[in-house]
Amino acid sequence: AQSVTQPDIHITVSEGASLELRCNYSYGATPYLFWYVQSPGQGLQLLLKYFSGDTLVQGIKGFEAEFKRSQSSFNLRKPSVHWSDAAEYFCAVVPSEYGNKLVFGAGTILRVKS
Amino acid sequence: DAGVTQSPTHLIKTRGQHVTLRCSPISGHKSVSWYQQVLGQGPQFIFQYYEKEERGRGNFPDRFSARQFPNYSSELNVNALLLGDSALYLCASSFRENTDTQYFGPGTRLTVL
Repeated sequence: AQSVTQPDIHITVSEGASLELRCNYSYGATPYLFWYVQSPGQGLQLLLKYFSGDTLVQGIKGFEAEFKRSQSSFNLRKPSVHWSDAAEYFCAVVPSEYGNKLVFGAGTILRVKS
Repeated sequence: DAGVTQSPTHLIKTRGQHVTLRCSPISGHKSVSWYQQVLGQGPQFIFQYYEKEERGRGNFPDRFSARQFPNYSSELNVNALLLGDSALYLCASSFRENTDTQYFGPGTRLTVL
């Protein structure tokens, strides 16, 4: 079945440490890929997106993501995590060039310890 | 510029009642989509509207309906509320109909008792 998988429900990292959040998708064609962040009780904020071109995408707040077609992955990275990065992170895809339906993963909750 | 706005912020209803949620898109955006986010899960797509026409519908019962107005604002209606309808309802807007970046509002928290 077509889906978006975020294998890690929770991740805890120390402040200043590097971060990688995993995302895999199972769609035949290359979908349009997004990472959103959600603070408790809040809406979703776009971190970055990949539509085509350079497979390494830069986003806001120092985040980047790399699209790997061979692995059907779009992992989110940050070299040095700040306490304010604690939130829930969602990977999402628009599976088709028609329509704008976002399909979300289940999310990864990031905890930052000082 | 104002982002996507939603009203009300919070809402408490009882089973069997009806609810209307409202969304105003970013100025110039013509597409509005609705998502339901149950606690502990990722958002689920409910509807997309573009230029006042329904362009997509998720796997939700007919109790859920929506519409878009000439000013591109939108309403989501849910009839005969069930306990399972308790969720955060998110509205997102985009400029284009297809494969365009969506910007989300803060959501409406609906609690059904």
